[in-house]
Amino acid sequence: GENVEQHPSTLSVQEGDSAVIKCTYSDSASNYFPWYKQELGKGPQLIIDIRSNVGEKKDQRIAVTLNKTAKHFSLHITETQPEDSAVYFCAANSPGAGSYQLTFGKGTKLSVIP
Amino acid sequence: DAGITQSPRHKVTETGTPVTLRCHQTENHRYMYWYRQDPGHGLRLIHYSYGVKDTDKGEVSDGYSVSRSKTEDFLLTLESATSSQTSVYFCAISTLGGSGKKIGLNEQFFGPGTRLTVL
Repeated sequence: GENVEQHPSTLSVQEGDSAVIKCTYSDSASNYFPWYKQELGKGPQLIIDIRSNVGEKKDQRIAVTLNKTAKHFSLHITETQPEDSAVYFCAANSPGAGSYQLTFGKGTKLSVIP
Repeated sequence: DAGITQSPRHKVTETGTPVTLRCHQTENHRYMYWYRQDPGHGLRLIHYSYGVKDTDKGEVSDGYSVSRSKTEDFLLTLESATSSQTSVYFCAISTLGGSGKKIGLNEQFFGPGTRLTVL
């Protein structure tokens, strides 16, 4: 089955700096890669996603890049703000028998220091 | 929140007692999921459903059962709760099978979670 590794597990940045979180996946057939933000005491919230036929996608201060050859994808947050502090999860969706399932990374705790 | 509610939001129970968690959705989504979240493990799939009375096991299904008798409700049951099942449980729906550009896209949206403590 699919295996997703996420790094780093914790990340501290100064307000206004950029943050980058990286994930690798094992199944070359994976075709959909969402990112979730989870604030304390809440459920994960989908913030951006990318399909395998796209290399980059941006939405205001956040962007996701995908390198299919290397089987890794990254979340980029620019001009970080204190409200960006949260746990971020990447995930991958493999087609085939398990296509209804997402495999999640273990999460990155981002702290934005004012 | 994609119209997803979970009940109860918090529960404390004793080892050996049965526990049922409920997930309710209002948007008629076909696919529903139960995950557990533990420190250091991220989100792990327990069971999922792809329609009324159609369910399948996930990565960590031992000790759990599910039922889906109506599209809107997906129940997770711990037949005899153990301390290792202390966790935060999340329900999710998927837009798989939806219309327009969502067709074939496994966008999942999560409920607010249930914190379960087994003493």
